[in-house]
Amino acid sequence: GQSLEQPSEVTAVEGAIVQINCTYQTSGFYGLSWYQQHDGGAPTFLSYNALDGLEETGRFSSFLSRSDSYGYLLLQELQMKDSASYFCAVSEDSNYQLIWGAGTKLIIKP
Amino acid sequence: DVKVTQSSRYLVKRTGEKVFLECVQDMDHENMFWYRQDPGLGLRLIYFSYDVKMKEKGDIPEGYSVSREKKERFSLILESASTNQTSMYLCASSSGTGSLRGYQETQYFGPGTRLLVL
Repeated sequence: GQSLEQPSEVTAVEGAIVQINCTYQTSGFYGLSWYQQHDGGAPTFLSYNALDGLEETGRFSSFLSRSDSYGYLLLQELQMKDSASYFCAVSEDSNYQLIWGAGTKLIIKP
Repeated sequence: DVKVTQSSRYLVKRTGEKVFLECVQDMDHENMFWYRQDPGLGLRLIYFSYDVKMKEKGDIPEGYSVSREKKERFSLILESASTNQTSMYLCASSSGTGSLRGYQETQYFGPGTRLLVL
């Protein structure tokens, strides 16, 4: 079957660094995406990795290891506004669908 | 900016009612999606459309149908609403031209419709 696993909740302190992991088991793999969703809001795209390595976008970075079926989202210099749920999602084949993880709720303490 | 709108933010319906959820996107996107989101379960795909009048079942199509008569509009229909369909419903669209990037495409979401079936 296909599955994505990520922690249900992570807590961190304002100004710190936090890593949210995602492991996947899918029949096919084109790439791994990350989305952010604030409470009551819609998911918004953060990043995408198709190849192994680190992609950096400002305070956020995303990493992929295809051989380990593993990726993570790294958030630096945490701000209170980063409190949200973060979803990893796999592009499994060519039909543009995404397979979604259950989401990680990031709680940031002052 | 891509804009995806949904007809209602909140909706209360009774068991057995027929429910229509409308979604409109303004970026000429080929692909449109309907998801439901429940706590601890993430986003589950109900139906997907890659062209006008085309549709594909997602992971949980039972109890739902869809309609895409125009490119910009994708409707989700609950033929006979049941209490287990109480959920947040999210519509999304993507361009459908991302094959050069390995079929990765950003999905743009509407604000969601929170449906309560009594």
